[in-house]
Amino acid sequence: EVQLVQSGAEVKKPGESLKISCKGSGYTFTNYWIGWVRQMPGKGLEYMGSIWPSDSDARYSPSFQGQVTLSVDKSITTAYLQWSSLKASDTAIYYCARLGRLYCSATNCHNDYWGQGTLVTVSS
Amino acid sequence: DIQMTQSPSTLSASVGDRVTITCRASQSISTWLAWYQQKPGKAPNLLIYKASNLESGVPSRFSGSGSGTEFTLTISSLQPDDFATYYCQQYYTYSTFGGGTKVEI
Repeated sequence: EVQLVQSGAEVKKPGESLKISCKGSGYTFTNYWIGWVRQMPGKGLEYMGSIWPSDSDARYSPSFQGQVTLSVDKSITTAYLQWSSLKASDTAIYYCARLGRLYCSATNCHNDYWGQGTLVTVSS
Repeated sequence: DIQMTQSPSTLSASVGDRVTITCRASQSISTWLAWYQQKPGKAPNLLIYKASNLESGVPSRFSGSGSGTEFTLTISSLQPDDFATYYCQQYYTYSTFGGGTKVEI
């Protein structure tokens, strides 16, 4: 059974750093891109970017380029999303989601499995 | 960026109704479009990919159609479990989601 299990909720202060995780299991981790999606309180879904676990090739949506960093540790089948200096506007639920492998465009794909989400609260 | 516009933003319906949600892209995306269902406090769930392909395990009352810039998600007979928010997603270039359509009683 394919599963993506994310780390728990975080409460941070503005300016602090943070790294949240997403552990994949039940499939060959290095054969599928992992994407990250933000959902701000009461709002819709925003695609942040994706990473290829095999070689850590990361692609960022323009709105998130330079704001966050995607990484992976394939030895423990885990993907990460990190911030170096959080802002109050980073308060949101963050989802990791596997990209499919069939019926995909040249640059991206639908998301077939999702993690449960990690709530990040940034407040002074 | 490719913008995705969903309509309506809220839809009031009853059990048994036929429901149609529209998604428009700011430029042609061929058929690189997916639909998701999200319930409160839960992660999104894939319903349709490549505009019209039903994801495994999704009830056949859900269907998708369209190409280019205009797409629709249809629920043929609304069930109690279908009251949720629905999002379209283009994955022709990067990926962007529509603003969502809340289906309520």
